[in-house]
Amino acid sequence: DAKTTQPTSMDCAEGRAANLPCNHSTISGNEYVYWYRQIHSQGPQYIIHGLKNNETNEMASLIITEDRKSSTLILPHATLRDTAVYYCIVTGKLIFGQGTTLQVKP
Amino acid sequence: DSGVTQTPKHLITATGQRVTLRCSPRSGDLSVYWYQQSLDQGLQFLIQYYNGEERAKGNILERFSAQQFPDLHSELNLSSLELGDSALYFCASSVDPAGVVLDTQYFGPGTRLTVL
Repeated sequence: DAKTTQPTSMDCAEGRAANLPCNHSTISGNEYVYWYRQIHSQGPQYIIHGLKNNETNEMASLIITEDRKSSTLILPHATLRDTAVYYCIVTGKLIFGQGTTLQVKP
Repeated sequence: DSGVTQTPKHLITATGQRVTLRCSPRSGDLSVYWYQQSLDQGLQFLIQYYNGEERAKGNILERFSAQQFPDLHSELNLSSLELGDSALYFCASSVDPAGVVLDTQYFGPGTRLTVL
């Protein structure tokens, strides 16, 4: 199973970039990497996804290594409202894991 | 607002009882997923339905069952409830066009179940 590994928690200063890593060393060639976040006990929110190329949208950027074994979600200018649990998952494996709790501090 | 609705928002019941949670997917979405999230736990995938048919099963207990109706709304039935079933239950939906293993999921606000 292509599971993912993420740090349990991270801190980031408000206004700075938040870089959240994810390891998915057993990912298969046709599997996408998806990122979601969950603010407090709300329903998780889709952020971004990618296959092999880097991706950017209005919320974040996704950098995938060439070997596709890891990726980094970048929130370019973190705000207090970005404090949440961030989940990295691989398509086909509906395994969310514990995610990374990102605390954005003023 | 994701476009996915779940009812009720909160549910308090007693051990041994049976409850039904309801989910209406986004307009046009054919797949519905159910997840359980216990206190301070990650999301546990329970089951997925696609256009009325069961497509994938996760760690769903035998006491739990689900179905998706012709209008694509879904219900999760939990029976013989135990204290440990207290959790947030999320529904998600996706378009899930043919050939896509997993499409972007849009989550509802959840139902908080408390079993006393």
